[in-house]
Amino acid sequence: GAVVSQHPSWVICKSGTSVKIECRSLDFQATTMFWYRQFPKQSLMLMATSNEGSKATYEQGVEKDKFLINHASLTLSTLTVTSAHPEDSSFYICSARKFPSGPTYEQYFGPGTRLTVT
Amino acid sequence: TQLLEQSPQFLSIQEGENLTVYCNSSSVFSSLQWYRQEPGEGPVLLVTVVTGGEVKKLKRLTFQFGDARKDSSLHITAAQPGDTGLYLCAGLWASGGSYIPTFGRGTSLIVHP
Repeated sequence: GAVVSQHPSWVICKSGTSVKIECRSLDFQATTMFWYRQFPKQSLMLMATSNEGSKATYEQGVEKDKFLINHASLTLSTLTVTSAHPEDSSFYICSARKFPSGPTYEQYFGPGTRLTVT
Repeated sequence: TQLLEQSPQFLSIQEGENLTVYCNSSSVFSSLQWYRQEPGEGPVLLVTVVTGGEVKKLKRLTFQFGDARKDSSLHITAAQPGDTGLYLCAGLWASGGSYIPTFGRGTSLIVHP
């Protein structure tokens, strides 16, 4: 199996507060995890690539000081949205790549976290 | 950043019809994956294609990888309402030893009973 969990599944927070989202690979080790953002009826937008034990690599246009990513273990990565604003409201999805991943480099997705900032 | 074009963006069809979704790039893929996503959930991996010319079948879904590994298609035969969802292709290219997936824009499929 390749099960990835996310917590919480949904969260409502007030503007200016910070929110932490956890992504866990439950039955495999993941040296690489990806964080995506998705707007309704649109595709996934890669925000950052998280490698265990090292700093995350952010995509162009993604504020690293606003979206803090920590990948402290082979089964856990966290995304913290700092000083959240209503425009940060979105569906955040993580994925994890097995180690070793083999030639297909498949990734397995979590169920997503719906963030609403009021 | 590699570009991955996926078409069509939207499809609304009647139950029993056939459909094809396309995914194209100007660069050669290392591999390509197809996902299906339902509202409020994460994408679920359907298939990975690696070899040029490869054809894989998953019940009524047929996945094809172009000979040159620059394009792929997903064909659904006799679509059912349960096939409704967002279909995503994701291409991987070897870039400096890392394999960062790039997603197409997605195809939103609605199958009417």
